[in-house]
Amino acid sequence: GDSVTQTEGLVTLTEGLPVMLNCTYQSTYSPFLFWYVQHLNEAPKLLLKSFTDNKRPEHQGFHATLHKSSSSFHLQKSSAQLSDSALYYCALSEGGNNKLTFGQGTVLSVIP
Amino acid sequence: AQTIHQWPVAEIKAVGSPLSLGCTIKGKSSPNLYWYWQATGGTLQQLFYSITVGQVESVVQLNLSASRPKDDQFILSTEKLLLSHSGFYLCAWSLDWGGEQYFGPGTRLTVL
Repeated sequence: GDSVTQTEGLVTLTEGLPVMLNCTYQSTYSPFLFWYVQHLNEAPKLLLKSFTDNKRPEHQGFHATLHKSSSSFHLQKSSAQLSDSALYYCALSEGGNNKLTFGQGTVLSVIP
Repeated sequence: AQTIHQWPVAEIKAVGSPLSLGCTIKGKSSPNLYWYWQATGGTLQQLFYSITVGQVESVVQLNLSASRPKDDQFILSTEKLLLSHSGFYLCAWSLDWGGEQYFGPGTRLTVL
């Protein structure tokens, strides 16, 4: 079956430093990958979705590149902001079904 | 613009009591609808999905049931709550088969 792995439970960064949150996946077919962000006591919000071609999705300074060879979709940002502190989920959707599989989530804590 | 509404916002219930949570979406015709559960500190677990009125598919059995009585309405219920039902319940919608999903504000359930 399909699965998503986020190896870091907590990432703590100083404001201004680059962000990289890891996401790897296992899938039988060619899936779509997503990043969702969830702030405290709020619902998850879609941050990024992978493209089928080699385009790199970007939103709010975040970007991620789908690498099929390494089954990865790492989330990156050049400079962390205090407001980026939140829980980040990587998720996978296989074309042809309605199941969205989430990773365990990574808490990003940005400190001054 | 589409809006998704969940009710109630929060609920405190006794073990063994019944439960009904609701979700409505406005501004989209015939959306795919989903129920998710998030335990405190846990990841998002898809429970049910529905692609049309009257049809609901179960993804995970947690002694819960779901129904879609109208095109824009999705209901989650159980006749007897368990302590393990506590958590954050989220409704989501999508237009595309396997596409990105958008979440409602959620209902926080505490079972005592």
